[in-house]
Parts: sequence; C-alpha cells; structure tokens
Amino acid sequence: NAGVTQTPKFQVLKTGQSMTLQCAQDMNHEYMSWYRQDPGMGLRLIHYSVGAGITDQGEVPNGYNVSRSTTEDFPLRLLSAAPSQTSVYFCASSYSSGPSSGNTIYFGEGSWLTVV
Amino acid sequence: GDSVTQMEGPVTLSEEAFLTINCTYTATGYPSLFWYVQYPGEGLQLLLKATKADDKGSNKGFEATYRKETTSFHLEKGSVQVSDSAVYFCALSDYYDMRFGAGTRLTVKP
Repeated sequence: NAGVTQTPKFQVLKTGQSMTLQCAQDMNHEYMSWYRQDPGMGLRLIHYSVGAGITDQGEVPNGYNVSRSTTEDFPLRLLSAAPSQTSVYFCASSYSSGPSSGNTIYFGEGSWLTVV
Repeated sequence: GDSVTQMEGPVTLSEEAFLTINCTYTATGYPSLFWYVQYPGEGLQLLLKATKADDKGSNKGFEATYRKETTSFHLEKGSVQVSDSAVYFCALSDYYDMRFGAGTRLTVKP
C-alpha cells in the first residue's frame, strides 16, 4: 500500500534553476495539496486541488506552479529557484473536500530541497 | 484568519512521566481539530482528531478533548515511552486548508 509517494527525496538546486517535485497517490483521493515546512513555522499550504483540472492557491503560492491532469498526480513546479525556497516539501491527499469536513489528510514522506 | 498556537518546546521527560502539550486555537467557524505526529525523516501521521465541541479524540494512549469554551485541544498521555519521542503538531481545518501550530519536540529519556 503505497499511499502518497513523493520524488525526489533530496535535491540541491542552484539559484534560478527550475525543477518539478512529483507526487502521486493511489487512494483515489480527490483532494491533494502541497505544504512547505520551515523551522518554527509548522506547515504552510502552497497550492491545493479538489479534483482533476482544478487547482487553487494556498497561503504561500508565489514562485510555485501546479497542475492536476489526473486524479493520481499533482506535481509542484519551482519556476526559478531562490534560496528562500529552501525547505522541506510535503504532498498530501484526502477524500472528497479535504480537511473541512474533518477528513484525515495523508502525507508523503517529504522532499528536502536546498537552493544555493 | 484562523490560527493555532501550541506550547513551545522542546519538552524532555523521563519514561513513564505524564505528558501535556497545550494547544489553543482561533477560529471564526467550527473547525475540526487534529494532532499529528512526525518521526525523524518522515511525514506527518494523524494521531487523533475531534470534529465537534466536547468530542474526545484518542489513540495509542494519547487523548485530547475539543473545548470550545476555552478554545483548546490539549494533548495528554498518562505514561510516555521512549518510542513517543517525536514532533507533535496541533492543527485545525479551515475550508481547504489545514492550519498548523509550530510543533513541539518531545524527547523521552529511559
């Protein structure tokens, strides 16, 4: 039972480079999201999706793009990496409407990104 | 906007000690409340949740009660083990977003 799978687990980028963090879930969840985790700040929502073809911004969307062409996949793109994007990134998924109805969110294991 | 405040750590306890991690929230509606746990190098895992006032969530000996009158959701465990060492996050649901506290690192020593 794979759950939520993220790749890569570790990545070092140079300032200005672009890259894509991959996320896939095999639970047929409609809701998927990306969070970043920074020391002392908990997790903050970057983007989310409530179904294929539908995406929306979270609390900290600047510098990131997402798309949702299938129910299973929700990639996060860094357009031009900056040192401020050094963080741990978590993909998450949930049934139907996500957390608003008390649904449990399932997290991937995280992707450690360093921008130098 | 909605927010969560949890006690700052780190917290260090001896095995079998009593644990309390305080969590208070600010919300305009009636959110669901959660405790997540993160072990080193891993993602967050749901520990317990409560979806309405006076509900008690419990799991693996941990408990938390949704107190609307004090806007609190404190995490408690009667006797901690070394294996409980982790970072604990209090969170609330806010439409399509989860609002997390900053996390409290717990270390349990034998």
